[in-house]
Amino acid sequence: EADIYQTPRYLVIGTGKKITLECSQTMGHDKMYWYQQDPGMELHLIHYSYGVNSTEKGDLSSESTVSRIRTEHFPLTLESARPSHTSQYLCASSRLAGAGELFFGEGSRLTVL
Amino acid sequence: AQKVTQAQTEISVVEKEDVTLDCVYETRDTTYYLFWYKQPPSGELVFLIRRNSFDEQNEISGRYSWNFQKSTSSFNFTITASQVVDSAVYFCALSEVDNFNKFYFGSGTKLNVKP
Repeated sequence: EADIYQTPRYLVIGTGKKITLECSQTMGHDKMYWYQQDPGMELHLIHYSYGVNSTEKGDLSSESTVSRIRTEHFPLTLESARPSHTSQYLCASSRLAGAGELFFGEGSRLTVL
Repeated sequence: AQKVTQAQTEISVVEKEDVTLDCVYETRDTTYYLFWYKQPPSGELVFLIRRNSFDEQNEISGRYSWNFQKSTSSFNFTITASQVVDSAVYFCALSEVDNFNKFYFGSGTKLNVKP
């Protein structure tokens, strides 16, 4: 069973607000990822990390930023939310070696008014 | 170029019908992994299966079966005797060893199983 948690599950916020989506995993995985997904649609990789102090941008350009100060924690921040940021954000993790499957959190559904 | 293609956007079947979800991938790596994930309406992606490029044996798990054919670069997923609980979006994914095991997801196939 996957042990990866995302908070909040749902967030409705006004334009211009700063938000942080939290993601934590208890599996000791080195790799962590953030995907953006419109409901039922394709997943787009926006950030990933191979370990502490490692962060990279994904294939889809995003105005969000991430940090990886601890292995288990990979928060995503939007400094100034806009309606175009409305989406579902999925956090995932996997072990470093080999091609382990991705374990996903339940997602954070963000709505920016 | 799309590395993983799921040409079926949406499929509707009646309960107890068999259904096959297609997945075609593209890679130059000799070592790679293929995955299927299920995303029910609740939103969380659930891992179903992983296959490596050296193992073309088909796999069966209950009502689920997977057909991996390197000759056609396909990794199709069949649900036998479908049930309403199978209704979800199914994603096929590719991970390339020479590309830091980066994951490439298909666009997903939405399966509607009607009672």
